[in-house]
Amino acid sequence: QSVLTQPPSASGTPGQRVTISCSGSSSNIGSNTVNWYQQLPGTAPKLLIYSNNQRPSGVPDRFSGSKSGTSASLAISGLQSEDEADYYCAAWDDSLNAQFGGGTKLTVL
Amino acid sequence: QVQLQESGPGLVKPSETLSLTCTVSGGSISSYYWSWIRQPPGKGLEWIGYIYYSGSTNYNPSLKSRVTISVDTSKNQFSLKLSSVTAADTAVYYCARVGVRYYYDTTVHYFDYWGQGTLVTVSS
Repeated sequence: QSVLTQPPSASGTPGQRVTISCSGSSSNIGSNTVNWYQQLPGTAPKLLIYSNNQRPSGVPDRFSGSKSGTSASLAISGLQSEDEADYYCAAWDDSLNAQFGGGTKLTVL
Repeated sequence: QVQLQESGPGLVKPSETLSLTCTVSGGSISSYYWSWIRQPPGKGLEWIGYIYYSGSTNYNPSLKSRVTISVDTSKNQFSLKLSSVTAADTAVYYCARVGVRYYYDTTVHYFDYWGQGTLVTVSS
């Protein structure tokens, strides 16, 4: 049972906009920033978004993040087949313990 | 470019201790936090703990009684020991760097570099 709650699956067609939600509490998302990771099949996770809405160098601007209160969202616009992956939200709690969501499997139809 | 590589036995017997090492190349282990994260087959990510280059540690409360993370700055390596393992500890184990950004009102942390992961199976 993950501390952060994500939908287990999401889907969209090429070109569509898809959002993935992440729900937490006042001790994690409510008081700290949210990061998002993309895990392509058979590979290690990759940092996609940090500090709620910041993209590391090399991440396309099709990916965006937002946070409000104790929830956060990842949005992917102009969906592409190569976006098919598992997506994880993460936040640190007030004791500096890292917490992950259960992951959302994104299928590009 | 910072690179991380996990190494260690791929098979551990129940009740024994799992030991892994992460070797950091392309950058110094100094001035950063370093972490271990695991992923059971077909499941999500679980944070195990982190160590600062100076040796201070913080562990996942659910694993704290069984986990030890250590660092060897002379070798640019940090290590994980997980004792009394069971089949539930079977997972891909990743090492990762904890990146830090300082803002005027807060400090943010994230895992910016990851190893490729190593599968550890617990079985007799």
